[in-house]
Amino acid sequence: GAGVSQSPSNKVTEKGKDVELRCDPISGHTALYWYRQSLGQGLEFLIYFQGNSAPDKSGLPSDRFSAERTGGSVSTLTIQRTQQEDSAVYLCASSLIGLLETQYFGPGTRLLVL
Amino acid sequence: GENVEQHPSTLSVQEGDSAVIKCTYSDSASNYFPWYKQELGKRPQLIIDIRSNVGEKKDQRIAVTLNKTAKHFSLHITETQPEDSAVYFCAAPSWVNSGGYQKVTFGIGTKLQVIP
Repeated sequence: GAGVSQSPSNKVTEKGKDVELRCDPISGHTALYWYRQSLGQGLEFLIYFQGNSAPDKSGLPSDRFSAERTGGSVSTLTIQRTQQEDSAVYLCASSLIGLLETQYFGPGTRLLVL
Repeated sequence: GENVEQHPSTLSVQEGDSAVIKCTYSDSASNYFPWYKQELGKRPQLIIDIRSNVGEKKDQRIAVTLNKTAKHFSLHITETQPEDSAVYFCAAPSWVNSGGYQKVTFGIGTKLQVIP
């Protein structure tokens, strides 16, 4: 079946602009995750959705970052007033039920803020 | 919150030798420990995981061991091959107060190079 998909695959934006990143999880997966991976770095956990709710938003780097999930499926990560330090690959993953099982990652969105 | 430390950050081995990567964690409530492999330019993929009710799990050339008392778990790759070259990440979930598991912390990654 189809895996996790993300769009756009690449995004170049100017500093100060808003961007919206989209994630389509595997059908039927109730858990969804967002991560940030800077060049040559590890995976920075941003947020976890169980259904449509995110119990803990403390992983979001600043109040310029927000995420939502509707219908228990698609999720969007929005970055307002982008800064150069926001440049990174944003990875989305999903799992069937929750955190204690395999996460299936999407291909990522490569964001470049000029 | 959970703190996951992974080492070494880089590891070079000769083809056919074994490789061992170790992670330590801080949250004693953590009970699920996956390992992900990320090849250059690709997405991370699970290669093996272990739950706290067992001490070791094997899958062909790959094994993971867990020491809950010492709060560390290790990835073992035997008879390494060039296609094992990648970055390997460990991870552990965090239990937040009474809210359940709400966060996953990944190690910084280990870049493994297998030299033919």
